[in-house]
Amino acid sequence: DQQVKQNSPSLSVQEGRISILNCDYTNSMFDYFLWYKKYPAEGPTFLISISSIKDKNEDGRFTVFLNKSAKHLSLHIVPSQPGDSAVYFCAASDFTGNQFYFGTGTSLTVIP
Amino acid sequence: GAVVSQHPSWVICKSGTSVKIECRSLDFQATTMFWYRQFPKQSLMLMATSNEGSKATYEQGVEKDKFLINHASLTLSTLTVTSAHPEDSSFYICSASLTGVFGNTIYFGEGSWLTVV
Repeated sequence: DQQVKQNSPSLSVQEGRISILNCDYTNSMFDYFLWYKKYPAEGPTFLISISSIKDKNEDGRFTVFLNKSAKHLSLHIVPSQPGDSAVYFCAASDFTGNQFYFGTGTSLTVIP
Repeated sequence: GAVVSQHPSWVICKSGTSVKIECRSLDFQATTMFWYRQFPKQSLMLMATSNEGSKATYEQGVEKDKFLINHASLTLSTLTVTSAHPEDSSFYICSASLTGVFGNTIYFGEGSWLTVV
């Protein structure tokens, strides 16, 4: 059973606009969440993370929002750039950090 | 930043032979390393969790006798695909866990393409 879900397999956004990638989880024990970016034939690259004690974390153009009551997190990229075109995975772990659960990914295409 | 290196990045082997893939954390000690396999157009599939000095924990459906994992030191884990067959051809990725203030962050290697002919 998929404990971390990304329901949108793909997303297209115009350059300069905001990209919003969504992720839902089912396990209330998850308390640490991460976003990864992946180009074809490469390993995922860590982007940004958020702990459950916060509801927002910002790093440059990337902001992650966490809604614990809804078990939902989102990644905002603004402004979107063509180089952001990649597959984005969200991941979650519990406090032990011994197991990470990944979503199935959302393929983002930023149109110049 | 933290760097995880995988070697080799590309390997071709004959059916029936064994091949070893190394995963190294270059600037930090990783108590826990993970091995993944990626199928085309699918998410990463966790194969096993490797803890230094102990036996790896395999996910359901992963043959532990076929995919041997050794985590002999805090900076090195190896995955050996034994008696490889063409269906084992895939992209294998490792990651290492770095403990931070709020939680663990995992950093991925570059991945290894295995082609079994």
